[in-house]
Amino acid sequence: DADVTQTPRNRITKTGKRIMLECSQTKGHDRMYWYRQDPGLGLQLIYYSFDVKDINKGEISDGYSVSRQAQAKFSLSLESAIPNQTALYFCATSDSQDESTDTQYFGPGTRLTVL
Amino acid sequence: GQNIDQPTEMTATEGAIVQINCTYQTSGFNGLFWYQQHAGEAPTFLSYNVLDGLEEKGRFSSFLSRSKGYSYLLLKELQMKDSASYLCAVAGAGSYQLTFGKGTKLSVIP
Repeated sequence: DADVTQTPRNRITKTGKRIMLECSQTKGHDRMYWYRQDPGLGLQLIYYSFDVKDINKGEISDGYSVSRQAQAKFSLSLESAIPNQTALYFCATSDSQDESTDTQYFGPGTRLTVL
Repeated sequence: GQNIDQPTEMTATEGAIVQINCTYQTSGFNGLFWYQQHAGEAPTFLSYNVLDGLEEKGRFSSFLSRSKGYSYLLLKELQMKDSASYLCAVAGAGSYQLTFGKGTKLSVIP
């Protein structure tokens, strides 16, 4: 079984709809992240969370919100989807106890298309 | 601000050696990561450097020079399955926050 899972894997929706992307992990990591990836661009950080009570904005948080329901679950919401939010979305996790690297491990991604 | 540069595309022959360069300018430095990403798939961790020098891991090696803001990923004995994008990412002042380059798409040809 995968350590980091994302649902759905693919989603097509219409402009103005509310969408939720979910991420779950069994790695026991405390830190979780949401990124988006667009063709020709690097991964961009949307939000990150150090624990259930700690949520922080990344570089491109406008139009998005998140919820950390438990240490293992971190959801990303698009309150009113727009076409330029069409992208590949990745969830990642890391372990703050891993002081030497704090390496991030990625889920399989969700391909979102907003028409 | 953060700026990371790496070549957009490279092509190399099966069995050969290829070096993918990455230069960076960041505020604060807590290490440099290399990830491999096959098309449409998740990035997977390859290597981490925080001190100057070469880290070797099987066919893959990564080098860092902090004074020059420079790193490279060296892939030896190239295989067709090495065709992928290679992402350079720098951990800034907060080690958790990675800034990614746009990636280098490597094509391995027979």
